[in-house]
Amino acid sequence: DQQVKQNSPSLSVQEGRISILNCDYTNSMFDYFLWYKKYPAEGPTFLISISSIKDKNEDGRFTVFLNKSAKHLSLHIVPSQPGDSAVYFCAASAVIRSRNSGGGADGLTFGKGTHLIIQP
Amino acid sequence: DTGVSQNPRHKITKRGQNVTFRCDPISEHNRLYWYRQTLGQGPEFLTYFQNEAQLEKSRLLSDRFSAERPKGSFSTLEIQRTEQGDSAMYLCASKMGGTANTGELFFGEGSRLTVL
Repeated sequence: DQQVKQNSPSLSVQEGRISILNCDYTNSMFDYFLWYKKYPAEGPTFLISISSIKDKNEDGRFTVFLNKSAKHLSLHIVPSQPGDSAVYFCAASAVIRSRNSGGGADGLTFGKGTHLIIQP
Repeated sequence: DTGVSQNPRHKITKRGQNVTFRCDPISEHNRLYWYRQTLGQGPEFLTYFQNEAQLEKSRLLSDRFSAERPKGSFSTLEIQRTEQGDSAMYLCASKMGGTANTGELFFGEGSRLTVL
């Protein structure tokens, strides 16, 4: 049972344009959401996060939007740069521990990832 | 480098052999996590420690898997009688728990296991 879903395995965007990566979740107990970026042969690195009390968080070129009613979040990258080419994972956690979250206390439940390709 | 360190980075073994991976977390982090990532999947939670106590184990962690964190610092993950299905990237992550939960985990570069 996939509790965090990234339905686009890959996304190709032209350099300088906006990249929009989407993520859906099913567990209502999730209250903190994160995006991680992963290059080949490296571990995931934290990019940006958002608490469920907010609907937007911005950090430079990266903005995360959260729609709690739709259980949907998205990551916007603008403008997209060649170095942004990587696999992006959406992850969620529950502050109040739930065995149903599958992630352990304060652990994270990840989606399958979206491979973002920035074309010159 | 004061990040999360894992070794070996890559291990090739024959089916039925035992393997052990080591993780050195960021020194001030009291929580340590093990995840497994297979091709085309996101990282999947295996187990976590708070200091030396193993507080939760995933259903993915079969009896052939054992993890320890004897002194609350480094951790080892041992897989006994490896099977081809164990081939994956094993990721270690750490964080400082007990503070305001940001949820952010700091990951190591992973240990890739190939079982022939």
